[in-house]
Amino acid sequence: RKEVEQDPGPFNVPEGATVAFNCTYSNSASQSFFWYRQDCRKEPKLLMSVYSSGNEDGRFTAQLNRASQYISLLIRDSKLSDSATYLCVVNSLTGGFKTIFGAGTRLFVKA
Amino acid sequence: DGGITQSPKYLFRKEGQNVTLSCEQNLNHDAMYWYRQDPGQGLRLIYYSQIVNDFQKGDIAEGYSVSREKKESFPLTVTSAQKNPTAFYLCASSTIRTANTGELFFGEGSRLTVL
Repeated sequence: RKEVEQDPGPFNVPEGATVAFNCTYSNSASQSFFWYRQDCRKEPKLLMSVYSSGNEDGRFTAQLNRASQYISLLIRDSKLSDSATYLCVVNSLTGGFKTIFGAGTRLFVKA
Repeated sequence: DGGITQSPKYLFRKEGQNVTLSCEQNLNHDAMYWYRQDPGQGLRLIYYSQIVNDFQKGDIAEGYSVSREKKESFPLTVTSAQKNPTAFYLCASSTIRTANTGELFFGEGSRLTVL
């Protein structure tokens, strides 16, 4: 089993749609969680951190469920510019710092 | 402007040749990392360094070497021992604080193709 698993997609949605991505992680000692965005053939960039209480940044909402060991990202009112790959990232300090990237979920937003 | 610069962006290599990818940062970050990305896969850690003159192997260090002689620089050499070197290579940096929280800052990447 992979340490961080994501549905690879692709998710094809029309503009204005709401889309949700899930990510599961296997290490219960994981401490911090993030969503990164990666455009085609570009470097990943931090989208948002994920907190236990849930957090929102404009059209984006991230949530963490420690009991079930999953993280979610909700995008409301999708824009064409949201088309990208979304990477789930999990960080733990077990045996030293370790950051694990999921393989990513591809999103295509169409007009 | 502060940032991470990788060079070259694109590199072609013949089998059996070593190549060195450059990574320079002016963010005053202590920690630097090299990742490899293959299609459909997550980033995999090759090497990382948290202090000058010290570095640690990541999950896929075989066939690679690094040095950290200066805080700003962390070059990666892809040796002929690396069996499948064609990939997208990403360098990243962080402060120790952001390393503990997982926030990394990436360069634009170097795409290596072995002919």
